[in-house]
Amino acid sequence: TQLLEQSPQFLSIQEGENLTVYCNSSSVFSSLQWYRQEPGEGPVLLVTVVTGGEVKKLKRLTFQFGDARKDSSLHITAAQPGDTGLYLCAGELTSLKLIFGTGTRLQVFP
Amino acid sequence: ETGVTQTPRHLVMGMTNKKSLKCEQHLGHNAMYWYKQSAKKPLELMFVYSLEERVENNSVPSRFSPECPNSSHLFLHLHTLQPEDSALYLCASSQDSWGWEQFFGPGTRLTVL
Repeated sequence: TQLLEQSPQFLSIQEGENLTVYCNSSSVFSSLQWYRQEPGEGPVLLVTVVTGGEVKKLKRLTFQFGDARKDSSLHITAAQPGDTGLYLCAGELTSLKLIFGTGTRLQVFP
Repeated sequence: ETGVTQTPRHLVMGMTNKKSLKCEQHLGHNAMYWYKQSAKKPLELMFVYSLEERVENNSVPSRFSPECPNSSHLFLHLHTLQPEDSALYLCASSQDSWGWEQFFGPGTRLTVL
């Protein structure tokens, strides 16, 4: 059974702090996606990383795909209250099948 | 309407009831999905349809019955559910191709009494 473990599970920080969320698996994925989900809504895609070692930046968010394409990280610089939400990584096994991670719930206090 | 819509947004049902969840996508995608999201488990893929054909049934109990009459609509028929089936049921759509993002609806919050 493929499993994507995210850590930490919960994170409460003050506005302006930096944080890193990790997504780890023993499986190799063709690509890895990061989603953010806010209460009452479905997940929304933040980024897709495809190549081992790839780094993508989206304003204050930096995403990295591991060299072996088994793990990924999300780093947020100078977190803001608007970053609050559930962050989900998802590994692509086939073109129609994503395996979602266990989730990291982030709370950023003003 | 744009994106992916789901109705109803909230549903409370008894274990002997029959109900249906509806999902509609306005994105021109050719694949649609049902996911279950419960408090203590990762988002679980239930069913996948591509071009209106079911291509994945992730060991889901038969009390959940999907239906995809066309590429824009997806239903999940529910009957004789158990309290542990209470969860957020999310519908998503995408293009049937590598690396394409899945667009999710807001979900139906289901409570089984």
